[in-house]
Amino acid sequence: AQSVTQLDSQVPVFEEAPVELRCNYSSSVSVYLFWYVQYPNQGLQLLLKYLSGSTLVESINGFEAEFNKSQTSFHLRKPSVHISDTAEYFCAVTPRGYQKVTFGIGTKLQVIP
Amino acid sequence: SAVISQKPSRDICQRGTSLTIQCQVDSQVTMMFWYRQQPGQSLTLIATANQGSEATYESGFVIDKFPISRPNLTFSTLTVSNMSPEDSSIYLCSVGFSEGHGYTFGSGTRLTVV
Repeated sequence: AQSVTQLDSQVPVFEEAPVELRCNYSSSVSVYLFWYVQYPNQGLQLLLKYLSGSTLVESINGFEAEFNKSQTSFHLRKPSVHISDTAEYFCAVTPRGYQKVTFGIGTKLQVIP
Repeated sequence: SAVISQKPSRDICQRGTSLTIQCQVDSQVTMMFWYRQQPGQSLTLIATANQGSEATYESGFVIDKFPISRPNLTFSTLTVSNMSPEDSSIYLCSVGFSEGHGYTFGSGTRLTVV
């Protein structure tokens, strides 16, 4: 079985400041890793994913996440946040060869003007 | 990626009644998934719906409470039956195309039971 831990339920940060949203997972098998974003009153959108290869993956809107196998982490970072980044972010894992997804509890990012 | 249309977007329902949520996908998919998102909690998988077969329910969810239909490869419904206030949640449908592809979600149905 897999589990996902998002250590911070809420993260307030000032506009243009950097941010890191933490995600740790546990699994006895190899996994794919995802970050999803949910803007207010909307469904989840895939932000970025790690399948294999380079451990650093990037999204089109400036977020990046780094897969660290030894620490079983997949933290999400952005060097400079905007007001529009205010949303809830979910880390998720799925075992390779299987489609069931396990989600973390979510981290609410609040960008302060 | 697919585009999912989920209806209704929100509803307020009386205790003891049922609500059917519809999920329409703009392309054919083998598996569709139904999730529940309760306030302050993680997304929880309710069931996996395959076309032409019975849905597979996760632990804690039963067909009598959450019957699912999957009449074709682009459509599915989830019914929340005999509702109680504890069923107040956001319900989302999701599809995935291939291993590691990632999943597309509908915009969700925000259900309030009074």
